[in-house]
Amino acid sequence: EVQLVESGGGLVKPGGSLRLSCVASGFTFSRYTMNWVRQSPGKGLEWVSSISTSSTYIYYADSVKGRFTISRDNVNNSLFLQMDSLRADDTAVYFCVRESYSSGPKGFDLWGQGTLVTVSS
Amino acid sequence: SYELTQPLSVSVALGQTATITCGGHNIGNKNVQWYQQKPGQAPVLVIYRDNNRPSGIPDQFSGSNSGKTATLNISRVQVGDEADYYCQVWDNSIAFFGGGTKLTVL
Repeated sequence: EVQLVESGGGLVKPGGSLRLSCVASGFTFSRYTMNWVRQSPGKGLEWVSSISTSSTYIYYADSVKGRFTISRDNVNNSLFLQMDSLRADDTAVYFCVRESYSSGPKGFDLWGQGTLVTVSS
Repeated sequence: SYELTQPLSVSVALGQTATITCGGHNIGNKNVQWYQQKPGQAPVLVIYRDNNRPSGIPDQFSGSNSGKTATLNISRVQVGDEADYYCQVWDNSIAFFGGGTKLTVL
């Protein structure tokens, strides 16, 4: 089955750190750019970060730049998000998302179910 | 930063056509994607590159994009189409989402 499964969410105090993981299955993970997208409770979608197939190109939203680090392990079909210096406004469900491309961008075509990160004292 | 503006809510009668707009500076020059999100679920891609449907998405869903506005049309609306809809573009390798539109079926 083609799927993405996130883990690593939980409750953390402001200023703390958390590492999210996402394991891909059912497709050739190494051929896809991967992303993290988050959604604060009751709010809209916010793109967080992307990483290209061989980790050459990495981008971050301004809101997380310098605090979050995206990485991937193509051998183990895994995507990661290291989150440091966490703030209350980082509280959100974090989705692992596949980005498809064929003769042009095809959008975020596969989403995990998300993992909840709560930053609170 | 690139701003995308969507109406907070759109209401449509059962069986009619819903139109959801997404405004942005020269958005007609960008590729626009649309996502459907039902409560408690992950988003689902329904339109990519302005007017293309992924495999498995019914032809109820169509899109257009020109000038300052991209549009998602949902024809023959059913209760099951009630959801939040988000537009999305890329700008300088950064992805931006609209604020989302809640579609209500009357």
